[in-house]
Amino acid sequence: QSALTQPASVSGSPGQSITISCTGTSSDVGAYNYVSWYQQDPGTAPKLMIYEVNNRPSGVSYRFSGSKSGSTASLTISGLQAEDEADYYCSSYTTTNSWVFGGGTKLSVL
Amino acid sequence: QVQVVQSGSELKKPGASVRVSCKASGYISIGYGMNWVRQAPGQGLEWMGWINTTTGYPTYAQGFTGRFVFSLDTSVSTAYLQISSLKAEDTAVYYCAPSGDYFFKYWGQGTLVTVSS
Repeated sequence: QSALTQPASVSGSPGQSITISCTGTSSDVGAYNYVSWYQQDPGTAPKLMIYEVNNRPSGVSYRFSGSKSGSTASLTISGLQAEDEADYYCSSYTTTNSWVFGGGTKLSVL
Repeated sequence: QVQVVQSGSELKKPGASVRVSCKASGYISIGYGMNWVRQAPGQGLEWMGWINTTTGYPTYAQGFTGRFVFSLDTSVSTAYLQISSLKAEDTAVYYCAPSGDYFFKYWGQGTLVTVSS
């Protein structure tokens, strides 16, 4: 199972919106609505931000939203804040009963 | 509240073995899987596989067969990752994460395994 494809880095200014894409195949992202997104600060465990494409766990800011079209999922962060600077990973359940992660995207808040 | 606590950092020599433990407490859905995820230094997350906590059946991702073994001790709600014949490229942080659904809401704090002579 190949890793999902994410841009290596994205950046934005405070208050702006950014979108991180996550491209897979018909065997993972395109197969189910089981895409999730994780935020990871240096030296800490990943934190679930979005599950099942567009659902936010309790406690996650409304500024985080997810979507999917075909085999590409997206994470949008609106009203960018300095605290959003982190690495972001997408993940998908697959048709072989396994999980696959994206390569990760480093978000810089300028 | 679910807590997932892993064992501490390990420093091992090439060729040795290491066992990482992962204890989950609190309510987790019946029949959840305990997943293992590797993160090499400066690299991304890599799903290694999972073990069914009801049947004890392990599933390994490509690239994690042979030297990697998942096991359970249900009496103490603990999962284990054992890596044998350690190589320098096994140096990484290893996370465990239960999955009752199709995502990872809870994560252990990570265990750094360093392989160096």
